[in-house]
Amino acid sequence: ETGVTQTPRHLVMGMTNKKSLKCEQHLGHNAMYWYKQSAKKPLELMFVYNFKEQTENNSVPSRFSPECPNSSHLFLHLHTLQPEDSALYLCASSQDADIQYFGAGTRLSVL
Amino acid sequence: SQQGEEDPQALSIQEGENATMNCSYKTSINNLQWYRQNSGRGLVHLILIRSNEREKHSGRLRVTLDTSKKSSSLLITASRAADTASYFCITDSWGKLQFGAGTQVVVTP
Repeated sequence: ETGVTQTPRHLVMGMTNKKSLKCEQHLGHNAMYWYKQSAKKPLELMFVYNFKEQTENNSVPSRFSPECPNSSHLFLHLHTLQPEDSALYLCASSQDADIQYFGAGTRLSVL
Repeated sequence: SQQGEEDPQALSIQEGENATMNCSYKTSINNLQWYRQNSGRGLVHLILIRSNEREKHSGRLRVTLDTSKKSSSLLITASRAADTASYFCITDSWGKLQFGAGTQVVVTP
C-alpha cells in the first residue's frame, strides 16, 4: 500500500459517455500527477498539480479535464473519448517533486 | 517525451543469476530514479541517485550513475522469481520529468 488510492480500478466506457477517475493521497504531499501508460510505450506525463495549481499540461486533448479541489484529491474527467485512449491511467503524488508514490492505476477501456 | 531509454527491452534469467539493465538519457539531470512495476499495477520507487553521486545500494539493488556518459545501470543480484517485473528509469531535470519504455525482466525458477 503506497498511500495513493485510485478508483475505480477498471472502467469500460463508450465514446459518448462521461466518467471520472479519482485519486486520493494520504501522505500529506504537495504535488499530484496524472500519467497515461499504453502498452509498450513510455509513460506519458499528462498533468501536474503543485499546491492545487496546475503547473504542467503536456498537450493533453481537451477531452481529458483534470480537477484538483485540494492537495489530497485529484480527478480526471473523461468526455467523448476515443478507442486509442484505452490505457492504464496512473496517479502519483510527491513532496517537492521528489520521489513519487504511485497508485495502482485505473485500467480504462473505450469501446 | 522519452529521454530515459532502457536497455535491454527484455531480459530473461534464472533464479540466482544477476540482472543488469541500463538507462541512457540526453540532457543534464539533477537526479535519476529507478522504479519497478508489476504487471498492470502502479510503479514502486526503488532508488534515487543524485547527479553528484556515482553509486548507491539498497539490499540486492545496486545503481550506478555516469553523468559523463549520461547513463545509469541497475543491477539486481541473486534474482528471485518475485523480481519479475518491468523496470523504469525516470530522469528529473529540475522538475522536468522524462521516462523510458522500461526493461521487462522475467526470472524463472
